[in-house]
Amino acid sequence: SQWGEENLQALSIQEGEDVTMNCSYKTYTTVVHWYRQDSGRGPALIILIRSNEREKRSGRLRATLDTSSQSGSLSITAAQCEDTAVYFCATEKVNTGNYKYVFGAGTRLKVIA
Amino acid sequence: EAAVTQSPRSKVAVTGGKVTLSCHQTNNHDYMYWYRQDTGHGLRLIHYSYVADSTEKGDIPDGYKASRPSQENFSLILELASLSQTAVYFCASSPARLGTEVFFGKGTRLTVV
Repeated sequence: SQWGEENLQALSIQEGEDVTMNCSYKTYTTVVHWYRQDSGRGPALIILIRSNEREKRSGRLRATLDTSSQSGSLSITAAQCEDTAVYFCATEKVNTGNYKYVFGAGTRLKVIA
Repeated sequence: EAAVTQSPRSKVAVTGGKVTLSCHQTNNHDYMYWYRQDTGHGLRLIHYSYVADSTEKGDIPDGYKASRPSQENFSLILELASLSQTAVYFCASSPARLGTEVFFGKGTRLTVV
């Protein structure tokens, strides 16, 4: 699982395999974001799941969220080489009158042909 | 399309010198953020702002100041740059509501020597 100050995790899989990346968070959130970062670029949102959804799909991506255990996951079905990237989860932390986004440490996924 | 532009894209600074990183967004977003990314680690929030002329401390604000002179512009200032501040810095923006995408710039690679 990824969170906060932890080091970036690394996963290496073969093309065509399925992969799941986990995310645990420390404070209450109603939304978990998943971002993808390609080398040399800023992160970009790939899927967002709300607390009332438990599961959300977008193409080969599947996100789950379990608010009782404060954890979520991102799965990629039949991974392709172009899925090689760093994947981050992020949660929304609400302060008095404002909020901020807190990112996990990330998972570096390498898909090998 | 939402756009966040950072300048410069890379910079070499001398230890003890002053560094200003600039960020401009054309998204009409209320929230802007500065994140730091170190090799092998995730994104850590330095400062953020939800309204012009006001900034908030993030999770790692020590050694950094921020300035939000207008809705569109958000600067990160290192008054006395140190070697430990060598990193990639990302600016981002988001609307003033939860559960929405955070849009990132392409990053600024800062090397302090």
